[in-house]
Amino acid sequence: DAGVTQSPTHLIKTRGQQVTLRCSPISGHKSVSWYQQVLGQGPQFIFQYYEKEERGRGNFPDRFSARQFPNYSSELNVNALLLGDSALYLCASSLPSGGAINEQFFGPGTRLTVL
Amino acid sequence: GQQLNQSPQSMFIQEGEDVSMNCTSSSIFNTWLWYKQDPGEGPVLLIALYKAGELTSNGRLTAQFGITRKDSFLNISASIPSDVGIYFCAGQLYNNDMRFGAGTRLTVKP
Repeated sequence: DAGVTQSPTHLIKTRGQQVTLRCSPISGHKSVSWYQQVLGQGPQFIFQYYEKEERGRGNFPDRFSARQFPNYSSELNVNALLLGDSALYLCASSLPSGGAINEQFFGPGTRLTVL
Repeated sequence: GQQLNQSPQSMFIQEGEDVSMNCTSSSIFNTWLWYKQDPGEGPVLLIALYKAGELTSNGRLTAQFGITRKDSFLNISASIPSDVGIYFCAGQLYNNDMRFGAGTRLTVKP
């Protein structure tokens, strides 16, 4: 079975632009979470979606938004990009009971560079 | 308050030695997890802990969920070169928010 896939693998944008990152969960997984990982730090939780509904949100500005599609894939959108948004964006999927994250499996990430 | 303090930041050990790392917090977590991340890849789940006091092993890895639910440790026995990487602890809060530690960078010298 394929693991979590993310696209694109790398992306370069300029300040003020908008970006859309994509994630396909493991087959059968209904929950997708997004994380931002700045170099040298642990991942920071952005969103969790389960059954197309937002179930958790981290401490990120409204410039960050996400959605989950009927096939459980997900998109993360970031508007008005800032230099500080440069990071590895990780997607994780899980097969939760009751909507909890529990054991998550991560994709390889999308490396976003904002110039 | 809900931050995880992971220590040590880095470790340099000889192949065959045992390793211990831990995470503490002032907050209570529902679940503790340990991940390993190699360069250019996403974190890989090593061990998940769901109950206070739970002790779980996965091969040479052993982890425990602290009784107070505010801490966890990970031990690696008889380290080998492929254990090199960054190890992260993560704790899940009641609202599904997952908090990660800053990581422990492990270097194993042959």
